[in-house]
Amino acid sequence: LAKTTQPISMDSYEGQEVNITCSHNNIATNDYITWYQQFPSQGPRFIIQGYKTKVTNEVASLFIPADRKSSTLSLPRVSLSDTAVYYCLVGDKQAGTALIFGKGTTLSVSS
Amino acid sequence: EPEVTQTPSHQVTQMGQEVILRCVPISNHLYFYWYRQILGQKVEFLVSFYNNEISEKSEIFDDQFSVERPDGSNFTLKIRSTKLEDSAMYFCASMANTEAFFGQGTRLTVV
Repeated sequence: LAKTTQPISMDSYEGQEVNITCSHNNIATNDYITWYQQFPSQGPRFIIQGYKTKVTNEVASLFIPADRKSSTLSLPRVSLSDTAVYYCLVGDKQAGTALIFGKGTTLSVSS
Repeated sequence: EPEVTQTPSHQVTQMGQEVILRCVPISNHLYFYWYRQILGQKVEFLVSFYNNEISEKSEIFDDQFSVERPDGSNFTLKIRSTKLEDSAMYFCASMANTEAFFGQGTRLTVV
């Protein structure tokens, strides 16, 4: 299982772009990269998933360099409601593989 | 949007008692999971369930725990003889491909 490393915490202000980088040096060929968001006392929520290059959806973008040893979650123009814990997960592409969470990055957005 | 439903939202039980936590996964999903999160700590994988049997389990999931899918819609986690350290949020999740959907959790307090 590829180990992930991400900053413990980050601070930002409303309206700024936030980039959270995750290192996963031992990522395997079959592994994909997924980011989840968790608000206090709620279950994690899927944000975005990718395998290589760039993926964008209505919430975020995910940048993955060619070597796939890291990835960056980009949140454009954050608001106070984006204050949450963000988890980077690396796992096998095979459907059903259990997700293993690390400690995540606590993002605090201030006004 | 389909969602995973968990009941009860809160449960208080005395040490040594048995508890059953209930989950209704998304109807066309095939993979089911239980996770727990002790206050202030990371989300921990307990067990995954596929095709009516356990497919993976963590070291935490010992003989005290059991899972069942009794009627094709509910997915339950039973904790026998609860201990103080079982106090946590318990999250159920279901997955169709590689995106997991989590319920809102059951807060279990053992006194």
